[in-house]
Amino acid sequence: EIVLTQSPGTLSLSPGERATLSCRASQSVASNSLVWYQQKPGQAPRLLIYGASSRATGIPDRFSGSGSGTDFTLTISRLEPEDFAVYYCQHYGNSLFTFGPGTKVHIK
Amino acid sequence: QVQLQESGPGLIKPSETLSLTCAISGFSISSGFYWGWIRQSPGRGLEWIGNIYHSGDTYYNPALKSRATISVDTSKNQFSLRLSSVTAADTAVYYCARLMAFITRGSWFDPWGQGTLVTVSS
Repeated sequence: EIVLTQSPGTLSLSPGERATLSCRASQSVASNSLVWYQQKPGQAPRLLIYGASSRATGIPDRFSGSGSGTDFTLTISRLEPEDFAVYYCQHYGNSLFTFGPGTKVHIK
Repeated sequence: QVQLQESGPGLIKPSETLSLTCAISGFSISSGFYWGWIRQSPGRGLEWIGNIYHSGDTYYNPALKSRATISVDTSKNQFSLRLSSVTAADTAVYYCARLMAFITRGSWFDPWGQGTLVTVSS
């Protein structure tokens, strides 16, 4: 089973700053198996990025995903007030879905 | 626009069976796609439970396979989850979602229902 680790656990930033979130897999995975979601309080997760780097429909271009192998990154180029949330990575492989523990991005 | 809505008891007792239903609107379940259940708790984070196709084909998280059963009712455009022998560890927000699966682009859940909190307590 692939275990996903996300860092940092919490990120304190100000609007307008750049956010860099990491997702590390316990072993090398296919890039198309890595997904990112955003979750706000009281809401369900919302798809941001699939295939490690493809933005979902309606997602602003300030969100970008990159990486390969075991190391993947979600970057928010300039934080908007609505971007303060928890971000999760997800992997699918061998008929099993796993999620990372999340990174909380909160206002400094 | 596809929308999903979970429903079911919010409180059940230990050792009982949790039963939830996910009603789909804006899309016919018979048109395709797998549909899944995911739960979220402070202790376990997001945990995938299992998926079902409109034909009834299912696959489950091995950690929950012995207790989980997912079924589909195409006439009502909905699918359901039963989780047996629950304990306090099964207390969580339960989400249903559509699985988007592509050979080259990968697999992800979108959209999700709003979620329903199920508490296991005597």
